[in-house]
Amino acid sequence: SAVISQKPSRDICQRGTSLTIQCQVDSQVTMMFWYRQQPGQSLTLIATANQGSEATYESGFVIDKFPISRPNLTFSTLTVSNMSPEDSSIYLCSIDRPGHSPGELFFGEGSRLTVL
Amino acid sequence: GESVGLHLPTLSVQEGDNSIINCAYSNSASDYFIWYKQESGKGPQFIIDIRSNMDKRQGQRVTVLLNKTVKHLSLQIAATQPGDSAVYFCAEKSGNTGKLIFGQGTTLQVKP
Repeated sequence: SAVISQKPSRDICQRGTSLTIQCQVDSQVTMMFWYRQQPGQSLTLIATANQGSEATYESGFVIDKFPISRPNLTFSTLTVSNMSPEDSSIYLCSIDRPGHSPGELFFGEGSRLTVL
Repeated sequence: GESVGLHLPTLSVQEGDNSIINCAYSNSASDYFIWYKQESGKGPQFIIDIRSNMDKRQGQRVTVLLNKTVKHLSLQIAATQPGDSAVYFCAEKSGNTGKLIFGQGTTLQVKP
């Protein structure tokens, strides 16, 4: 298993502000994945963060809205910029691990954001 | 486009009965099909996966069946327990990017 810590676990934010979510992993990993889970919905991949390079964003997600940092092999941040109520979601950090099944991702507990 | 979906949003079963959760997918090129369990307030947890060249795989109390002819995936849980109550997501994976495409989720409710 993997230990993936996310901060904050939850927050209530005002419209127009930005919030940075941190993800700390207990071992070095090449790729870290950021997912969004809107209320009552499934998970959608926002971007893949590789250490030392720009994050790769999925269709519908842009760097200006969701800037990502990956300063080292155990840490990443996702910023939700200029928030609106539509950004109210759970944001999840995840990793894969060598030696595990290719379909197996390990997820953090998530950061539940509510935008007023 | 790619999509993975589930047939039923909610499934209610009696404790001790077997549960079957279904999923339909559209991308025939996916290499792996996966089931995740998400308990309230937690991140998804891997249950089991199946490679695209297989049609059945068994784990501890769970079995995944893949029918590529009709693009259907199912998760069978034997002797369902209260601890199995959660939302179950199917997902699919293509290539080596690590990207998973998730279906909409089925809520499993276990009645004592």
